[in-house]
Amino acid sequence: DVKVTQSSRYLVKRTGEKVFLECVQDMDHENMFWYRQDPGLGLRLIYFSYDVKMKEKGDIPEGYSVSREKKERFSLILESASTNQTSMYLCASSEGRANYGYTFGSGTRLTVV
Amino acid sequence: AQSVSQHNHHVILSEAASLELGCNYSYGGTVNLFWYVQYPGQHLQLLLKYFSGDPLVKGIKGFEAEFIKSKFSFNLRKPSVQWSDTAEYFCAVRDDKIIFGKGTRLHILP
Repeated sequence: DVKVTQSSRYLVKRTGEKVFLECVQDMDHENMFWYRQDPGLGLRLIYFSYDVKMKEKGDIPEGYSVSREKKERFSLILESASTNQTSMYLCASSEGRANYGYTFGSGTRLTVV
Repeated sequence: AQSVSQHNHHVILSEAASLELGCNYSYGGTVNLFWYVQYPGQHLQLLLKYFSGDPLVKGIKGFEAEFIKSKFSFNLRKPSVQWSDTAEYFCAVRDDKIIFGKGTRLHILP
């Protein structure tokens, strides 16, 4: 089974802190994605990556950046956390570009106080 | 740009009732369509997917969905729901990345 592992299940950070959310997948997938999930808004795409050192902006990239130095790891960075970034963050990976669904991690619930 | 619209935000049914969750998408090209489910406290799981061929797709746990190209729809159905189907359901469309609908919370009364 493909595994997508997010390093933290729950995280509490202070406003202005730099926050790193880590995601690792073990099936050599090319594509990795970061979404945030908020009640009534569904899943919104923050950033995605099709290969090592590649990154593309999703629908809501403001306030975030990403890093993909190795194929299996895709990190989401909040440069200066704000309270409106309190959310559930979901990492996903997939093979190829189409015809495949995603495998999701368990999520990181981030609270910014 | 692609978009996905789920008709109902919250649905409440009794056990054994029939279920249909509506989903419409806007995308002119070849679509890949998905339904994902998120049970309480669990991660998102793929319920079923459509790429091509038979427009009636069967998924896990007795769910099925029908792709109707002329209506840009991909509605999810189950003839008889169970209490364990209580979850949030997301419709999604993909070309190079997946766009999700806002979700439908399904609550089944025992």
